Amino acid sequence: DAKTTQPPSMDCAEGRAANLPCNHSTISGNEYVYWYRQIHSQGPQYIIHGLKNNETNEMASLIITEDRKSSTLILPHATLRDTAVYYCIVRDRSSNTGKLIFGQGTTLQVKP
Amino acid sequence: DTAVSQTPKYLVTQMGNDKSIKCEQNLGHDTMYWYKQDSKKFLKIMFSYNNKELIINETVPNRFSPKSPDKAHLNLHINSLELGDSAVYFCASSQGWTGVTGNTIYFGEGSWLTVV
Repeated sequence: DAKTTQPPSMDCAEGRAANLPCNHSTISGNEYVYWYRQIHSQGPQYIIHGLKNNETNEMASLIITEDRKSSTLILPHATLRDTAVYYCIVRDRSSNTGKLIFGQGTTLQVKP
Repeated sequence: DTAVSQTPKYLVTQMGNDKSIKCEQNLGHDTMYWYKQDSKKFLKIMFSYNNKELIINETVPNRFSPKSPDKAHLNLHINSLELGDSAVYFCASSQGWTGVTGNTIYFGEGSWLTVV
């Protein structure tokens, strides 16, 4: 089972920031938070990941709370091409293989 | 250049047939995966290979047999196809296991399998 909970869907106006929340209250100290997205009919695409500190790259920013029990993915200026399912994933800790366990994700609809 | 490529992209076949999906990565990664996405859109890992050695087998029926001839290739062979095997199959790769180093997994574009 996925170790994260996300809202099933969100809307965002084009050009505005999209803030996608994720709860991972059972995260352990060595587990990373990953964000992927899946645009319709494509493979999942890596966005960003973090452990404790906030992270930023050319695609997005990741804000992790101090207690690490939740995080927010921020797309600073959403475009129509950002419409996708966004997955927040905590690395599996039941084995040492680190497989990714996907939940249902958040379907983000960016509207003109 | 496509980093993780799969063939075929679409495959329609009859029940009982045997089929293969091929995957190649040109990223120099040492770990490759097969994920399955069913009609409800859930993505689940099936297999993982590290340096050609099987490290994850998620209780997949033994009709599914992965084969890794070298680090850059991980093929999926499916025997006696059933209706329930219809899904999208994604190949992926990473350098090392994400569990240890936090390394990223890169996915292919998927192979749409329809069993009729």
